[in-house]
Amino acid sequence: NAGVTQTPKFQVLKTGQSMTLQCAQDMNHNSMYWYRQDPGMGLRLIYYSASEGTTDKGEVPNGYNVSRLNKREFSLRLESAAPSQTSVYFCASSDLAGGAETQYFGPGTRLLVL
Amino acid sequence: GESVGLHLPTLSVQEGDNSIINCAYSNSASDYFIWYKQESGKGPQFIIDIRSNMDKRQGQRVTVLLNKTVKHLSLQIAATQPGDSAVYFCAERAGNNRKLIWGLGTSLAVNP
Repeated sequence: NAGVTQTPKFQVLKTGQSMTLQCAQDMNHNSMYWYRQDPGMGLRLIYYSASEGTTDKGEVPNGYNVSRLNKREFSLRLESAAPSQTSVYFCASSDLAGGAETQYFGPGTRLLVL
Repeated sequence: GESVGLHLPTLSVQEGDNSIINCAYSNSASDYFIWYKQESGKGPQFIIDIRSNMDKRQGQRVTVLLNKTVKHLSLQIAATQPGDSAVYFCAERAGNNRKLIWGLGTSLAVNP
C-alpha cells in the first residue's frame, strides 16, 4: 500500500495563477482532509470530506476549493494564487475504527507563490 | 529533559536520556488525544493516542499521560535516540467531530 500520495511535490506559481493539488489514498478511508502548515503556526485545516460526496470548510477555507472526486481522491484548487498561500500543504485520510480515528498524512506539497 | 507550552519550544536531550514533551489542551469536552511526530521534510506520523477514559497508555518506548483535571497531556520517550529528533505535535478531538485541534509543536533535538 502506498498510503496517502500527493502531487506535485513542489510548485512555484505567480500571483493570480491557478493550480490543483492532487491527493489519493489506497486505505479505503472514508474521511479526507487538506491542511496547510506555516512556520510557527502548526497545522491548520482548510477543508475536509467526512465521506464521499460531502465536503466541509475547516479553519482557513478562503481562497480554496475542494473536490471529493471519489472515495480515493480529494483535490484542492487555488483559483487565483496569492503570496499568502505560500505554504506546505498536507493531505490526510482517516477512518473511524473502535472509536479512534487516526489521520494518515501524505508527504506534502511545497508551494511558493511569487 | 522537559518542555512546556504550545509555542514551539525546543527540547534538547542527550542520547539515552528520557524525554518529556508537554501539551496543554484547550477543550474540556475533548475525548480523544493523539501525538504525532514530524521529521524534517515529511508529513506528520502517528505515534500514540489515548481516550479520555484513560490516564495512561504505553507503546514501544513511548508513554502518553493524560490529566483531565488540568487539561494536560504529555509524551514520554524512553532512551531517546537520534532518530527521535523531530517536531512533536499533540492534537485533540471533541466527540464525533472529525476535526482535530492541533498544538503548535515541540522540537526535540537529540545530542549524540
